[in-house]
Amino acid sequence: EAGVTQFPSHSVIEKGQTVTLRCDPISGHDNLYWYRRVMGKEIKFLLHFVKESKQDESGMPNNRFLAERTGGTYSTLKVQPAELEDSGVYFCASSHFGELFFGEGSRLTVL
Amino acid sequence: KQEVTQIPAALSVPEGENLVLNCSFTDSAIYNLQWFRQDPGKGLTSLLLIQSSQREQTSGRLNASLDKSSGRSTLYIAASQPGDSATYLCAVEGNQFYFGTGTSLTVIP
Repeated sequence: EAGVTQFPSHSVIEKGQTVTLRCDPISGHDNLYWYRRVMGKEIKFLLHFVKESKQDESGMPNNRFLAERTGGTYSTLKVQPAELEDSGVYFCASSHFGELFFGEGSRLTVL
Repeated sequence: KQEVTQIPAALSVPEGENLVLNCSFTDSAIYNLQWFRQDPGKGLTSLLLIQSSQREQTSGRLNASLDKSSGRSTLYIAASQPGDSATYLCAVEGNQFYFGTGTSLTVIP
């Protein structure tokens, strides 16, 4: 069974550009989460989908971040326009019966 | 707001030694607690999940305990090996999952 997959694994963009990260959860997992880890800091919650609905988006830092999960399958996280402080590793996770399964992460570098 | 703390931040031990990693949390109203390991440049791999009604879970050389009333969990690693070198994170599930900053473990051959 495929795990949680994320694309791209690494993205380098300039300040002001747009980046879209994609996450494919484990098939059948209704819960999908986005997290971010900035260098040296703890993993911070961004938002939580249950199927296609945003259950909790309290961790989204500002309106430059937009997450979608059309059809309750894969999810995208768009950053527009990107700022220097958005650099970090963005993790996606899906859960089943309370157990989280993580993707490998998408490393974003904003120059 | 739930806060999760992991001590120590880094640990270096000789191969074969038994060790304990600590995780503490401020709000005892949790559903589950999960331990992960993260290798450099990789995602998080689930090690053990302890549901709120459980006191401990074991998998191979790993044993995790949970004391909700005191807000503590420990991860015990027996007979450590160089392949155990990684960052270990704990996460507690409340209305969302809260993570500690991790313990970086190095096992010296």
